[in-house]
Amino acid sequence: GQSLEQPSEVTAVEGAIVQINCTYQTSGFYGLSWYQQHDGGAPTFLSYNALDGLEETGRFSSFLSRSDSYGYLLLQELQMKDSASYFCAVGMNTGFQKLVFGTGTRLLVSP
Amino acid sequence: DTEVTQTPKHLVMGMTNKKSLKCEQHMGHRAMYWYKQKAKKPPELMFVYSYEKLSINESVPSRFSPECPNSSLLNLHLHALQPEDSALYLCASSKIGQNTGELFFGEGSRLTVL
Repeated sequence: GQSLEQPSEVTAVEGAIVQINCTYQTSGFYGLSWYQQHDGGAPTFLSYNALDGLEETGRFSSFLSRSDSYGYLLLQELQMKDSASYFCAVGMNTGFQKLVFGTGTRLLVSP
Repeated sequence: DTEVTQTPKHLVMGMTNKKSLKCEQHMGHRAMYWYKQKAKKPPELMFVYSYEKLSINESVPSRFSPECPNSSLLNLHLHALQPEDSALYLCASSKIGQNTGELFFGEGSRLTVL
């Protein structure tokens, strides 16, 4: 089976930079995605790494190293609205997006 | 239109009831998904439909019955549920043929089974 582990909670202050790690024990996946979910809301897509390396999308960057079975999401210039849960997910199928989600990290941003 | 719309937003049902959850998208996506999410847990895949045909059933109990009547609609029929089935049920859609890692999720239907 697939296993993706994340820290359960991370705290930071506004304007800071925070890194959320994702370590996995899985193989044969096609890429690593990151999703944000506010309390009571829908998961929303943030970023995707098909290849090793860094992908940058505005204030968010995501990194994947298949050799280290590791990825991370980097959030810069933190804002209060970034307080949410963040999930990494591996894509297990070509064609459609069969995603297996990580354990999730709750990010708390304080003033 | 980049929305996935789910109804109802909240549902309370008894263990002998029959109810349905509905999901609609108009993005032309030909893959649709049902996920179940318990509080403070990640979404767990239940079913995947591609081109309106069931492609994946993640060993879900038969008291959950999915249906995809056309390319825009996805239903989840519920019958004889248990209290432990109380959860947020999320519908999602995506394109087929492009590994983008992107699912478009609805806001979910929060189900309480008494």
